[in-house]
Amino acid sequence: DVKVTQSSRYLVKRTGEKVFLECVQDMDHENMFWYRQDPGLGLRLIYFSYDVKMKEKGDIPEGYSVSREKKERFSLILESASTNQTSMYLCASTGLETQYFGPGTRLLVL
Amino acid sequence: SQQGEEDPQALSIQEGENATMNCSYKTSINNLQWYRQNSGRGLVHLILIRSNEREKHSGRLRVTLDTSKKSSSLLITASRAADTASYFCATDPQGGSEKLVFGKGTKLTVNP
Repeated sequence: DVKVTQSSRYLVKRTGEKVFLECVQDMDHENMFWYRQDPGLGLRLIYFSYDVKMKEKGDIPEGYSVSREKKERFSLILESASTNQTSMYLCASTGLETQYFGPGTRLLVL
Repeated sequence: SQQGEEDPQALSIQEGENATMNCSYKTSINNLQWYRQNSGRGLVHLILIRSNEREKHSGRLRVTLDTSKKSSSLLITASRAADTASYFCATDPQGGSEKLVFGKGTKLTVNP
């Protein structure tokens, strides 16, 4: 059975902290994605990766970076968290044209 | 760069009724997909329809695609309270790199 896991369901951080969100998939997928989801704005693509060490900016990469050192793991990094990064973060990987999503991480930045 | 736009934004129906959600998009696509999201959870893939298909069924789901109008509809028949969720369409644009473009979703409430 397909599985995408995210390191935390809920996270509370302070402004200025460095935040790591981890995503792991067990399907040997090449493509992985990070989205943020906000009310009224839908899903917006932050970054995606099409192979190990390969990454490409999405629609809203500002304030974020990513790391893909192993095929199964794709990390989203908030270098210096700000309150406007409070959001639901969703990770996904692609298999056979469809995306498989993790359960999401709800991040609150105080 | 939102491409899919769902309509309506919210829909409330009684159990047993049918629910229809629509999606419009702007550019040529390889396929269009529908996803479901229960409150506070990740999205789950429901159905994919390719650009050369006009209709597809999966259980109580029926999806249509009209590429000339750049629109799609999702019909859920005989709805149940458990169908309460948000539904998103996502398009796979031609020439893209497996990046799907999601709409803002339709929030469906099925009242028992």
